[in-house]
Amino acid sequence: AQSVSQHNHHVILSEAASLELGCNYSYGGTVNLFWYVQYPGQHLQLLLKYFSGDPLVKGIKGFEAEFIKSKFSFNLRKPSVQWSDTAEYFCAVIIDQTGANNLFFGTGTRLTVIP
Amino acid sequence: ETGVTQTPRHLVMGMTNKKSLKCEQHLGHNAMYWYKQSAKKPLELMFVYSLEERVENNSVPSRFSPECPNSSHLFLHLHTLQPEDSALYLCASSQSPQGGYGYTFGSGTRLTVV
Repeated sequence: AQSVSQHNHHVILSEAASLELGCNYSYGGTVNLFWYVQYPGQHLQLLLKYFSGDPLVKGIKGFEAEFIKSKFSFNLRKPSVQWSDTAEYFCAVIIDQTGANNLFFGTGTRLTVIP
Repeated sequence: ETGVTQTPRHLVMGMTNKKSLKCEQHLGHNAMYWYKQSAKKPLELMFVYSLEERVENNSVPSRFSPECPNSSHLFLHLHTLQPEDSALYLCASSQSPQGGYGYTFGSGTRLTVV
């Protein structure tokens, strides 16, 4: 079965620290990759997405992610976090384009940024 | 607002109650979805509708009954729920059921079954 793994369940950082959240998926075919963010009490928002081309993708609010196909990974990074980045981050994968049940989410990583 | 509006935001219901969740989108999307978000579990796909027809039903218990009267509206009818059904229920929409260009999510309905 397809799966998306986010190994860090809760990450606590001080402001200005660098961030890297891991995401691995289990599927050998073509994938579209996403990172979503859910701020406290708010809806899921798209941070960035990868479809093809440059494997280093830049998103909103200074976030970026790198697709490493050989490692089945799509890690999220930010050089310097802010208190306002406190949220839950979800990695998601769409496999191929056939059928409707092809979007898989990870369990999420809660990020707490301490001022 | 994301363009996908869910009501109510919070709902507390007894196990014998009947209630409905509502989702509305005016993005011109052709597919709509219900997801269940429970603590420490991945988002679970419940139902997919494409152009008002149900495409996918992920073996969801019959106490959850979806309805899609048109491409802009989606309902989730609830009856005789169990406490373990307490969760955040998210509605999403996409341009196509394959969702290749991403999904737009609503804010969710926080459901508590007592």
